[in-house]
Amino acid sequence: GPKVLQIPSHQIIDMGQMVTLNCDPVSNHLYFYWYKQILGQQMEFLVNFYNGKVMEKSKLFKDQFSVERPDGSYFTLKIQPTALEDSAVYFCASSLALDNSQNTLYFGAGTRLSVL
Amino acid sequence: GDQVKQSPSALSLQEGTNSALRCNFSIATTTVQWFLQNPRGSLMNLFYLVPGTKENGRLKSTFNSKESYSTLHIRDAQLEDSGTYFCAAEAGSGTYQRFGTGTKLQVVP
Repeated sequence: GPKVLQIPSHQIIDMGQMVTLNCDPVSNHLYFYWYKQILGQQMEFLVNFYNGKVMEKSKLFKDQFSVERPDGSYFTLKIQPTALEDSAVYFCASSLALDNSQNTLYFGAGTRLSVL
Repeated sequence: GDQVKQSPSALSLQEGTNSALRCNFSIATTTVQWFLQNPRGSLMNLFYLVPGTKENGRLKSTFNSKESYSTLHIRDAQLEDSGTYFCAAEAGSGTYQRFGTGTKLQVVP
């Protein structure tokens, strides 16, 4: 099936530093998402993105977070500065459209972020 | 509170038996997606549903929008079915899917 790639699979970083998580969405998809999962808990929506803009974001999407997708490159989640509570697995997802027939989400394998 | 609640939260099944997982919505839901998260953390797509029923092998899922629930039936459970099952609901007014609380399934010999 369609593949979403996430790089790196694991990132260890000191508190206060900047981190960028990279996502290569399914090639013809137009809508991109980040979700956060703390170990053993449910997946929490962070943000979605379409046509170069944030469409919707949750209260978990703090001011220190930003997303972008420069043309032809990765869809990225940047955290600057990082905090201890940012430690989690971050999942990227993409979908073709928003209407009922084409908004199936496809997820990457996640990036485990450890903030020390 | 949780807008998408799953039950049971955990379940142990004997290999070869059947079971049903449930997802209840407190938001008006237009579509539902079911996922299996394996022990390594990867999410596998199982079903994408508008109101109605779909079947794939030993799995069958129903989404009843009027009564605000969805079910996932597992027939003849196998060891490789073990993992955490999540449903995710899209509300009519929203642009993203809200995940449920998950059902952790363990299939034992």
